[in-house]
Amino acid sequence: AVQLVESGGGLVQPKESLKISCAASGFTFSNAAMYWVRQAPGKGLEWVARIRTKPNNYATYYADSVKGRFTISRDDSKSMVYLQMDNLKTEDTAMYYCTAGGYWGQGVMVTVSS
Amino acid sequence: DVVLTQTPSILSATIGQSVSISCRSSQSLLDSDGNTYLYWFLQRPGQSPQRLIYLVSNLGSGVPNRFSGSGSGTDFTLKISGVEAEDLGVYYCMQATHAPYTFGAGTKLELK
Repeated sequence: AVQLVESGGGLVQPKESLKISCAASGFTFSNAAMYWVRQAPGKGLEWVARIRTKPNNYATYYADSVKGRFTISRDDSKSMVYLQMDNLKTEDTAMYYCTAGGYWGQGVMVTVSS
Repeated sequence: DVVLTQTPSILSATIGQSVSISCRSSQSLLDSDGNTYLYWFLQRPGQSPQRLIYLVSNLGSGVPNRFSGSGSGTDFTLKISGVEAEDLGVYYCMQATHAPYTFGAGTKLELK
């Protein structure tokens, strides 16, 4: 069965950094584009980032709200995808979901507050 | 950026009723590769989203066939033919034709 398990969330202060991870299993990870989507408390879904596969040069795409601050990466040897979040803002507080091929993880909470 | 406008924002239905949700895009979602990257998701209370429909009209894995998607260009519709209790939650459309990808604001389906 396909599983996506996020980890690494927590409470950080504004302007700090955090790296969250997603462990994938149950499918051929190296063939799948991977995504991060977030949801602020009580709000709707917001797409954050996408990373393509090796044949597509691991091309990355970002929402305007995080461009220049967030970096998506992947390690095909470990079936992992990461989201490095720098210069965090209070408005980045959200549940962060890893998703691929229609499957979603359970999410990891990131809280940015002083 | 592409704006997806979902209507209605709240939908009240009885069990067994058929309902539709509209998703209108500010730009055509037909990609140069011939695909239209329009998706529908359901988020039940306290759960992660679940993909219902991909590429406008294809049913996701394990999704009941009372769900159907249709449309083209800028106008898309999700139909539920006979609402069941487990269908309650918030429905989102999403486009992945134009980066940055965007979601609609959501339609909350509740029991009348």
